[in-house]
Amino acid sequence: GNSVTQMEGPVTLSEEAFLTINCTYTATGYPSLFWYVQYPGEGLQLLLKATKADDKGSNKGFEATYRKETTSFHLEKGSVQVSDSAVYFCAFFSTSGTYKYIFGTGTRLKVLA
Amino acid sequence: NAGVTQTPKFQVLKTGQSMTLQCAQDMNHEYMSWYRQDPGMGLRLIHYSVGAGITDQGEVPNGYNVSRSTTEDFPLRLLSAAPSQTSVYFCASSYSTGYSYNEQFFGPGTRLTVL
Repeated sequence: GNSVTQMEGPVTLSEEAFLTINCTYTATGYPSLFWYVQYPGEGLQLLLKATKADDKGSNKGFEATYRKETTSFHLEKGSVQVSDSAVYFCAFFSTSGTYKYIFGTGTRLKVLA
Repeated sequence: NAGVTQTPKFQVLKTGQSMTLQCAQDMNHEYMSWYRQDPGMGLRLIHYSVGAGITDQGEVPNGYNVSRSTTEDFPLRLLSAAPSQTSVYFCASSYSTGYSYNEQFFGPGTRLTVL
């Protein structure tokens, strides 16, 4: 069935380190893919998205490329800041079976100064 | 645009009480949904709606009711609160792309404690 697998957290990095958060998906067809970010005490907000294969979404220095061959949408940032500390969720909308969004379990990132 | 608004922000209930969590959006989005998020956990879908008059169950619908009489509003009713319903509740909305739906816009959440 449809699913999203994210790397287990927490991920702890020093400021200015390189970040990768892995996300792989199982879906029918080629849905749009999303990364959301949740800062402490807040709701989720869209970080970036990609709507078709080979598209690269980017925002605030974060990037992710829609890889159809490997069914992946890994999140990367070249130099993280303390303010990037948050929980990151990978997701897509499923049109097979019930109409709902499929989320990963979330990856907590902690950036140390 | 106010986006997605939720009220109240915080609520404490006693076991057995009922209440309604309000959710409204001003973006004319067709799709609306309710999630719960327990501490350190991901999101679990409670109910969703693809338009006024149409609702369906998600993964954890027991103990909750919804209705969608207008495009803007999607209230969530707790019928008889239980401590297991202590959680943070998020409402979200999104718009159709014709064959699918685009990204969701989330409200700020309602933090519910059931004693």
